[in-house]
Order: sequence, then C-alpha cells, then structure tokens
Amino acid sequence: DTAVSQTPKYLVTQMGNDKSIKCEQNLGHDTMYWYKQDSKKFLKIMFSYNNKELIINETVPNRFSPKSPDKAHLNLHINSLELGDSAVYFCASSQGQGTSDEQYFGPGTRLTVT
Amino acid sequence: AQKVTQAQTEISVVEKEDVTLDCVYETRDTTYYLFWYKQPPSGELVFLIRRNSFDEQNEISGRYSWNFQKSTSSFNFTITASQVVDSAVYFCALSERDNYGQNFVFGPGTRLSVLP
Repeated sequence: DTAVSQTPKYLVTQMGNDKSIKCEQNLGHDTMYWYKQDSKKFLKIMFSYNNKELIINETVPNRFSPKSPDKAHLNLHINSLELGDSAVYFCASSQGQGTSDEQYFGPGTRLTVT
Repeated sequence: AQKVTQAQTEISVVEKEDVTLDCVYETRDTTYYLFWYKQPPSGELVFLIRRNSFDEQNEISGRYSWNFQKSTSSFNFTITASQVVDSAVYFCALSERDNYGQNFVFGPGTRLSVLP
C-alpha cells in the first residue's frame, strides 16, 4: 500500500495551460504539504493544510491554488503555467498539527512546461 | 541569511570511509525541531531522524549517528563505513515558529557520492 501517492508522475504541458496534481495519503495524518524542488534540488515548502485548514502559505504566485476536499487529499491546481514552474512537486503528510513531526513524502510529480 | 546552511555542496568518498555532513541552523525560537532527510537517485525523500531543541543527546542508528550541539547551532550527520547505497542528496531541515507563524525550511542539501 502506498502511503502518500501523487498523480500524475510526469506532466508535460505548454505555457498558459492549467493543470492539477493530485495527492492522497492513507496514513490517517492530519497535516499535508506541497513542496517545489527546482533543478538545483532546492526544496521549498509552498503550502501546508491541517484538517483541511491552510496553516502555511508561503510566498507563491496566486496562480497556485491548493484544494483540500478532506484531510486525506490535497490537490494542487496551477493556472496559466509558465516556464519557471517546471520543477518536481512533492506532496507530504505528517501526523500532528504543525511541522514538528516527521513528514512522509510522495514520489513526486515532474512538471515540464514547454 | 539562510536559516539552514549545509556548507558542503558535494562530497565524494571511497567505500568504507567515514563521512560527516554538516548542518548549521539559525532560529530565535526556543522550541524547534531538526530533521535529516535522504533523497537517493531514484528521487523519493526518506525521513532519517527528528530531534527537538531540548534533547541534545547524540543518537546512533546502525552506521548513522547524529551530533546535536545547541551552543554552535549545529546538527551534524555522520555515516560510518560508507557504502555505495549511501550515495544520495542529504537534506537538513528546521521546523520553528517565527513572527508569521509556523515555518519549515530545508537546507540546500549535500550530494554524497560513495565510490566503490
């Protein structure tokens, strides 16, 4: 059983399109996250949700919008894709309410914008 | 200034050598948490250890050990008798509360190559 799953694994699209990445965790965790990893491997937190409530919202363009239909799912929708959005996006989850617990990561979604 | 600094961008060692990966952090919070994660070439991120700011006891897990020193704001990671399978990018991370609420920051990572 996959603990944290993401779909799709690869996403190739053109500039200006809108796309979504889905994330699901079956660990019963309360908190979920989205991270962006750039080509230099630098990892940056984008959003964090606890029980469907946004608790971390880093400075990301408002073209990025997270949606949490329930505490097991946190989807990432991206509008008007730009070349600079090309990266690997990781979803993660943790047990507690904040970021003090260890996080379990999904396999990542490699987004390529052409 | 970076909250989490990993000064070693890349390290290469020969199998069976010991290697230490450095991590220096910066926080004003008195309660904070430090982590190490491993990212092997396959790309997934794997949790290795979590340490809170009140627990300075060093930890050993098999060939891995961690040295936490609040006085120098460091949380270094040592691999003893390295193996080729240890080749990966290793990230140190900090969880804290700042003026804006909760904050979670990864360091830039250290790429470790263990040569046979």
